[in-house]
Amino acid sequence: RKEVEQDPGPFNVPEGATVAFNCTYSNSASQSFFWYRQDCRKEPKLLMSVYSSGNEDGRFTAQLNRASQYISLLIRDSKLSDSATYLCVVNFPYNQGGKLIFGQGTELSVKP
Amino acid sequence: DVKVTQSSRYLVKRTGEKVFLECVQDMDHENMFWYRQDPGLGLRLIYFSYDVKMKEKGDIPEGYSVSREKKERFSLILESASTNQTSMYLCASSPIKTGQKNIQYFGAGTRLSVL
Repeated sequence: RKEVEQDPGPFNVPEGATVAFNCTYSNSASQSFFWYRQDCRKEPKLLMSVYSSGNEDGRFTAQLNRASQYISLLIRDSKLSDSATYLCVVNFPYNQGGKLIFGQGTELSVKP
Repeated sequence: DVKVTQSSRYLVKRTGEKVFLECVQDMDHENMFWYRQDPGLGLRLIYFSYDVKMKEKGDIPEGYSVSREKKERFSLILESASTNQTSMYLCASSPIKTGQKNIQYFGAGTRLSVL
């Protein structure tokens, strides 16, 4: 089983659509969770951290379910500029290396 | 803004050459990382460092070494480049401040081709 698994892409959606990405992680001791965004041929950039109670940033909502080891990202009212690859990222605790583990990413394409 | 600068955006090298990839960050971050990113494989950690002169192997260290002589600079070295090291290389840094730890900031990447 992969340490961080994401929905396979690509997701092709029309402008204005709501789209949800899912991610599962294998290490129950993980403590920090993030969504990064990566544009074509660019570096990954932090989109948002994911908090236990869930959190929202404008059109983006992130949820964490520790019991199921599951993270989600919801994008409402999709814009053309949302087209990118979205990476689910989970940390491993310092006693296991303190590393970030990146999912392979889910590609989103928003069409006019 | 955090700035992580990689010395080259594109590099073309020949098999057997020694290759240096340089990374500099300007935010006094303690942690620095080197990844490679390949289609279908995502980001894979090569080496990381928590402090000057300190290094830890990541998931795929074979064929690579690193150097961290100064806090702001983390170098990745390919001792003898091979064609299977053709990839996008990404450097990242992160602080250890509470509330910000584990957030990694990336450089623009170096696309290395080994012929």
